[in-house]
Amino acid sequence: AQSVTQLDSHVSVSEGTPVLLRCNYSSSYSPSLFWYVQHPNKGLQLLLKYTSAATLVKGINGFEAEFKKSETSFHLTKPSAHMSDAAEYFCVVSDQPTGNKLVFGAGTILRVKS
Amino acid sequence: DAGVIQSPRHEVTEMGQEVTLRCKPISGHDYLFWYRQTMMRGLELLIYFNNNVPIDDSGMPEDRFSAKMPNASFSTLKIQPSEPRDSAVYFCASRPRGTGELFFGEGSRLTVL
Repeated sequence: AQSVTQLDSHVSVSEGTPVLLRCNYSSSYSPSLFWYVQHPNKGLQLLLKYTSAATLVKGINGFEAEFKKSETSFHLTKPSAHMSDAAEYFCVVSDQPTGNKLVFGAGTILRVKS
Repeated sequence: DAGVIQSPRHEVTEMGQEVTLRCKPISGHDYLFWYRQTMMRGLELLIYFNNNVPIDDSGMPEDRFSAKMPNASFSTLKIQPSEPRDSAVYFCASRPRGTGELFFGEGSRLTVL
């Protein structure tokens, strides 16, 4: 069965500094992986997805993630944090590119200090 | 496109009352999902539909919960009778055929007193 572990429940960074949100996954099959973002009182929005093409995936708002099979990781990064990045981020795994039963991580709350 | 539309955005009710949550998916999307989000359990898939047909309802907590999709543009999630432990944010999401991306509504926040 597939699962994801987000290694930090909270991350705090200063505006303009790099962001790293960590995610490890477990999957019986070649996984599809996603990062979603949720701003307060809003629905979730897709940031980026990996579906067995390039291992470095670029998403919206300057975020990117690297798929590392040997480490079973899919960490989310951004070179320079902006105040508007403050939100909760979810790492998600599906066992097929169009798999329907997505499994969500517990979420990482990103705080950006001015 | 207006996106996935959910109503009501907020609902406060008393234990034992019936609650109906509504969802209008994005036009042309073949799949519709209902999720529940709580602090304790995170995001849980309750049920999903493909072309208006329920495919997997194994996440529905118990018989008090039911979901319908009478046509491609409307779905309901009903709780009868409601209990305080049902308090959560309920999200509807839709997805076009052939992609993995879900498009979420803004959620319905339910409080059962």
